[in-house]
Amino acid sequence: NFMLTQPHSVSESPGKTVTISCTRSSGSIASNYVQWYQQRPGSFPTTVIYEDNQRPSGVPDRFSGSIDSSSNSASLTISGLKTEDEADYYCQSYDSSNRVFGGGTKLTVL
Amino acid sequence: QVQLVESGGGVVQPGRSLRLSCAASGFTFSTYAMHWVRQAPGKGLEWVAVISYDGSNYYYADSVKGRFTISRDSSKNTLYLQINSLRTEDTAVYYCARDGGRSWYLRGEVHWGQGTLVTVSS
Repeated sequence: NFMLTQPHSVSESPGKTVTISCTRSSGSIASNYVQWYQQRPGSFPTTVIYEDNQRPSGVPDRFSGSIDSSSNSASLTISGLKTEDEADYYCQSYDSSNRVFGGGTKLTVL
Repeated sequence: QVQLVESGGGVVQPGRSLRLSCAASGFTFSTYAMHWVRQAPGKGLEWVAVISYDGSNYYYADSVKGRFTISRDSSKNTLYLQINSLRTEDTAVYYCARDGGRSWYLRGEVHWGQGTLVTVSS
């Protein structure tokens, strides 16, 4: 089984840009799509990025996703930070046997 | 629009059973794989189980194998999770989630329900 490792927390100021990383422990990050979910306090998860870099309709283009094979990691970048972006963010991927979530990153916008 | 509404949670004693339901609407239920994902209080997301779009295949996390059973009724557009021999560590919010397509890997544009809380306590 592989693991996805995220930073426990990040913080940044409104209007700035933040990047959250997600590193895969084994197997290639490029082999299976990565999804990113936002979970605001007291609410259910919603998809903000799917299939590495696709944005659902309704998700602002301030949100973008990418993968980096050299570091075997995926990244979620949020630009022009707003206070409403304060939430927990989870990466998720899979292989033939497993569906795996990262441990989550708490984003604080202060 | 896609709607997923879970029900069936509550406070249950250890060792008892519970069946969770997820009523789906706003899409053709029989063409999507469906998942259960849980979240213990203050913890992260944990994938639990998946059932294929036609109900012919299913797969479970090792942590629940043998105690949980996922099923679906396309005539009722409803997903189920039968949980037996409940343990205190099963205490969590249980979410149903629609896969992005016929793949059952939890990929693509995943849609989530609002969750139902299961508390296992004596």
